[in-house]
Amino acid sequence: SQTIHQWPATLVQPVGSPLSLECTVEGTSNPNLYWYRQAAGRGLQLLFYSVGIGQISSEVPQNLSASRPQDRQFILSSKKLLLSDSGFYLCAWSVGGRSGTDTQYFGPGTRLTVL
Amino acid sequence: DQQVKQNSPSLSVQEGRISILNCDYTNSMFDYFLWYKKYPAEGPTFLISISSIKDKNEDGRFTVFLNKSAKHLSLHIVPSQPGDSAVYFCAASRLSGSRLTFGEGTQLTVNP
Repeated sequence: SQTIHQWPATLVQPVGSPLSLECTVEGTSNPNLYWYRQAAGRGLQLLFYSVGIGQISSEVPQNLSASRPQDRQFILSSKKLLLSDSGFYLCAWSVGGRSGTDTQYFGPGTRLTVL
Repeated sequence: DQQVKQNSPSLSVQEGRISILNCDYTNSMFDYFLWYKKYPAEGPTFLISISSIKDKNEDGRFTVFLNKSAKHLSLHIVPSQPGDSAVYFCAASRLSGSRLTFGEGTQLTVNP
């Protein structure tokens, strides 16, 4: 069966510090991968998605970036965090082959607080 | 441009009764719809989906209804249980190749 892991579970970072969140998927090959953010009391905002290694599409301009160095690894990064980057970050995967049209399965999330 | 809308931010229901969660969409190109359930500090869990060729899909206590002419879908939970208390998100996509668009979510509270 497929599983998706995210870490860390919680993170408190000062403004201006760098960020690296990692997501890995097990039990499937060539998945589509996604990064979402849920701000307090809001819905899910798609940040990035990837259909293959090195292939990243950005949905919203921001100071975040994403990378996919391996088939089942997806990394969310920032060089300098802003207060507005606080939120709940979710990684998700779906069966590869079509871009985001299949059911997406979410990881446990990372709670990021920028102070 | 909020293409998927859940107009009720919250819903409170008695245990054993029916919960009806609603979702409206504006993009007529959407042809695949999903419902997710989310507990605090956890990732959303997939519940049930429906494609536009159907108007109803049932899975245990959960039934999703799709009214394409009204661009409206709903999730029925019956009987409701306290463990169903969570935020429910509806989502939509186009099978021709695009991402899921999520609604803002509805907080369901099932009272014992």
